Amino acid sequence: DIQMTQSPSSLSASVGDRVTITCRASQSISSYLNWYQQKPGKAPKLLICAASSLQSGVPSRFSGSGSGTDFTLTISSLQPEDFATYYCQQSYSIPYTFGQGTKLEIK
Amino acid sequence: QLQLQESGPGLVKPSETLSLTCTVSGGSISSTNYYWGWIRQPPGKGLEWTGNIYYSGSTFYNPSLKSRVTMSVDTSKNQFSLKLSSVTAADTAVYYCARGLSSSWNYFDYWGQGTLVTVSS
Repeated sequence: DIQMTQSPSSLSASVGDRVTITCRASQSISSYLNWYQQKPGKAPKLLICAASSLQSGVPSRFSGSGSGTDFTLTISSLQPEDFATYYCQQSYSIPYTFGQGTKLEIK
Repeated sequence: QLQLQESGPGLVKPSETLSLTCTVSGGSISSTNYYWGWIRQPPGKGLEWTGNIYYSGSTFYNPSLKSRVTMSVDTSKNQFSLKLSSVTAADTAVYYCARGLSSSWNYFDYWGQGTLVTVSS
C-alpha cells in the first residue's frame, strides 16, 4: 500500500494568513493526488484533483502543486470558513489511501 | 444536482453483517464515466477507502477488508450496496458513499452525508 503522510497534523493560524500543508507519498504517484476539506459532522468536499486542478466552485485562494512524491496545498489568505481538517488522497493505485489529516484551527 | 444518501441500521451486533445502501438521485448510476465507492471514518479518526464498484458490477476492495466485503449495484433502483461481515468494534465508523470519476484522474467528487454505524452488543 502507498502510505500518505501529511504535515503538520495540526496548525493554528489567523484570518488572512497564508498556509501551506504538505503531503508526501511513500512512492511516486505521478499527479494522482487529491485534496479534500472536511468540516465537523460533514462529508469531505473535493477541493483539488490531479494535484493542481481546482474543482469547480472552489475559491481561487486554494491551490495545489507537486508531482511524484511531494505535494502541497496552499491557502493564500485564510478565511473564517477555511478552518477545517484537510486530507490528501492518492488515486494512483488500489488501495486508495488518505493522509492522516491536517486540522487547521483559529489562532 | 447529484445527491447520494446512505441508509441502513445504525447498530450492528459483533460477528453480524453490516449492510448499507446508497441511493443516487439527480443522475444515473449506469454510466461508464463513473464508479461508486464506500469510504469510512472511525469516530475522531481519518478516512479509509473500503472499495469501489462499477455499474457493470466490477469491484475493487481494500485488501485489509477484502475477505469480509461485498459490494453490489442495482441499476433498476439507482442504488449500490455494501455488506461487511463478521464485524467487530473496530468497524464502528461513519460510512460515506461517494461517486468516483473514472477518467485520466480518479477522484471522489460527490459524497453522501454519511451514516454512523456502531458495532455493539
